[in-house]
Amino acid sequence: DQQVKQNSPSLSVQEGRISILNCDYTNSMFDYFLWYKKYPAEGPTFLISISSIKDKNEDGRFTVFLNKSAKHLSLHIVPSQPGDSAVYFCAAILGGATNKLIFGTGTLLAVQP
Amino acid sequence: DSGVTQTPKHLITATGQRVTLRCSPRSGDLSVYWYQQSLDQGLQFLIQYYNGEERAKGNILERFSAQQFPDLHSELNLSSLELGDSALYFCASSPHLDLYTDTQYFGPGTRLTVL
Repeated sequence: DQQVKQNSPSLSVQEGRISILNCDYTNSMFDYFLWYKKYPAEGPTFLISISSIKDKNEDGRFTVFLNKSAKHLSLHIVPSQPGDSAVYFCAAILGGATNKLIFGTGTLLAVQP
Repeated sequence: DSGVTQTPKHLITATGQRVTLRCSPRSGDLSVYWYQQSLDQGLQFLIQYYNGEERAKGNILERFSAQQFPDLHSELNLSSLELGDSALYFCASSPHLDLYTDTQYFGPGTRLTVL
């Protein structure tokens, strides 16, 4: 049972526009969410996180939004750059299990120059 | 470069065999995590060690085992290999136990192919 879902396997965006990557989860006990970026032949790299007590967290061009009632989070990248082309994973931590990450299946973002 | 190293990068073996994957965490990190990424799957958490002790288990098969040595490097042992074990295996490290406050750093992965 996939508790963290990224329903869009891929997304293509023009350079300079906004990229919106979505993630849905099923377990209301998740209390911390993270986004990772992964380039080919490399391991994932931490990008941004958000606690369940917040609804928004911003870091430069990256903003994560959390809608707890909908069990939905999204990552916005503005403006998108060709170097942002990568696979993006969302991940969640189950409250109390502070050392286990549950990952989604990833979304491949392609930013077209 | 995350500072986490994994060897080998690629491994090709046959069904029924046993392999060992090695991970060296970032300098000073006490926690080591192992993940498996199969085709079209997200990363599946396998197991975590902290300062030499097992601290959390995920979806790790009984045929798989791991350990963390006094110098903090870790090994993941996979035995009686099956075709379905073909995957990317990632190691990650973090300074302590708590992923609310720690950042987890991933190695580049070992690609295991079982023929």
